[in-house]
Amino acid sequence: DTGVSQDPRHKITKRGQNVTFRCDPISEHNRLYWYRQTLGQGPEFLTYFQNEAQLEKSRLLSDRFSAERPKGSFSTLEIQRTEQGDSAMYLCASSLGRPGNTIYFGEGSWLTVV
Amino acid sequence: AQSVTQPDIHITVSEGASLELRCNYSYGATPYLFWYVQSPGQGLQLLLKYFSGDTLVQGIKGFEAEFKRSQSSFNLRKPSVHWSDAAEYFCAVGGDYGGSQGNLIFGKGTKLSVKP
Repeated sequence: DTGVSQDPRHKITKRGQNVTFRCDPISEHNRLYWYRQTLGQGPEFLTYFQNEAQLEKSRLLSDRFSAERPKGSFSTLEIQRTEQGDSAMYLCASSLGRPGNTIYFGEGSWLTVV
Repeated sequence: AQSVTQPDIHITVSEGASLELRCNYSYGATPYLFWYVQSPGQGLQLLLKYFSGDTLVQGIKGFEAEFKRSQSSFNLRKPSVHWSDAAEYFCAVGGDYGGSQGNLIFGKGTKLSVKP
């Protein structure tokens, strides 16, 4: 399978715990994106990387959220001190480097904070 | 402000009937437009995209969409719906505007139900 893969697919955590999601993009794609989707809503942009550089962050990405792409390949999204409002699906996507290139999405990682 | 509006939250059509899902956008530059489909609990699959050129674009699964600049619209159509088309459909806009290079702005989606 050469698509975008995400792990874990589902995570249930207690409020206040930290969680980390991993994304492996399509291998030749130098752009990697994180989106968040809550029930009944469309995906909302969180951040994106060009290779290992984090170039843009949404105001939705509070200081409890941190994303990394250390070697320009896989990426991690960590949420510290989770809150119930963090419950959502976290989607990773990747693309080649120019605006307008198709963005391919993974299956998503569901987070439930109890 | 950049935005996408999908005015229909939920649409039900009979199998074999035609379908049109509406999408209006607001964007400060030439938009790139996309339609994605999402099955329950799954990620998004690209149906089709418009970058430039012919304003009628063909996609997978028999879908097409027409870009109308004067109406700021990018409606999705299918002449004959199949039961397997039941899913949620998202319209998205992106481009090189305001420093955002490639991230997409999505509408809230239209849920499609198909009656036998």
